[in-house]
Amino acid sequence: GENVEQHPSTLSVQEGDSAVIKCTYSDSASNYFPWYKQELGKGPQLIIDIRSNVGEKKDQRIAVTLNKTAKHFSLHITETQPEDSAVYFCAASKSRGAGSYQLTFGKGTKLSVIP
Amino acid sequence: DAGVIQSPRHEVTEMGQEVTLRCKPISGHDYLFWYRQTMMRGLELLIYFNNNVPIDDSGMPEDRFSAKMPNASFSTLKIQPSEPRDSAVYFCASRLSDRLNTEAFFGQGTRLTVV
Repeated sequence: GENVEQHPSTLSVQEGDSAVIKCTYSDSASNYFPWYKQELGKGPQLIIDIRSNVGEKKDQRIAVTLNKTAKHFSLHITETQPEDSAVYFCAASKSRGAGSYQLTFGKGTKLSVIP
Repeated sequence: DAGVIQSPRHEVTEMGQEVTLRCKPISGHDYLFWYRQTMMRGLELLIYFNNNVPIDDSGMPEDRFSAKMPNASFSTLKIQPSEPRDSAVYFCASRLSDRLNTEAFFGQGTRLTVV
């Protein structure tokens, strides 16, 4: 089955700096890569996603890049703010074959933005 | 839509007791997932359903765990008998399958403590 590795497990940045979280996946059939943000006491919420037919996607201060050849994708947060502090999860999914539509998650990155 | 609804939000029970967690997915979604979250293991997929049919239960840790989806708007996860190592946050998520791959929505979770 799919295996998703995520690094780093913790990340501290100064407010205003950028944060980068990286993930790798193992199943070449995976074609959907969402990123979730989880705040304390809440369920994960989607912040951005990318499909395998594009290499990059941006939404204001957040961007995701995908390298299908190397099977890795990254989350970039620019101009970080204290409210960006949370746990971030990457995930991978495919739409065909055994295990389709199930999401396999990385172990998470705890991001702390220091004011 | 109110989103994915889980109940109870918190459950404290004694070892050996039966525990039932409940989930109402978003109307129209055809996939439902049960995840368990712990510090050590992150988000683990326990079981998922497609159109109320269990597709993959390989993540269910032991026979003490069982899940049902009697209709499109309700699912339960039961642990019997419960053990202290079952203490975790259990999330339910639902998703609509389509060829573009779409977002999975999570509930707020049930925090289970077995003493």
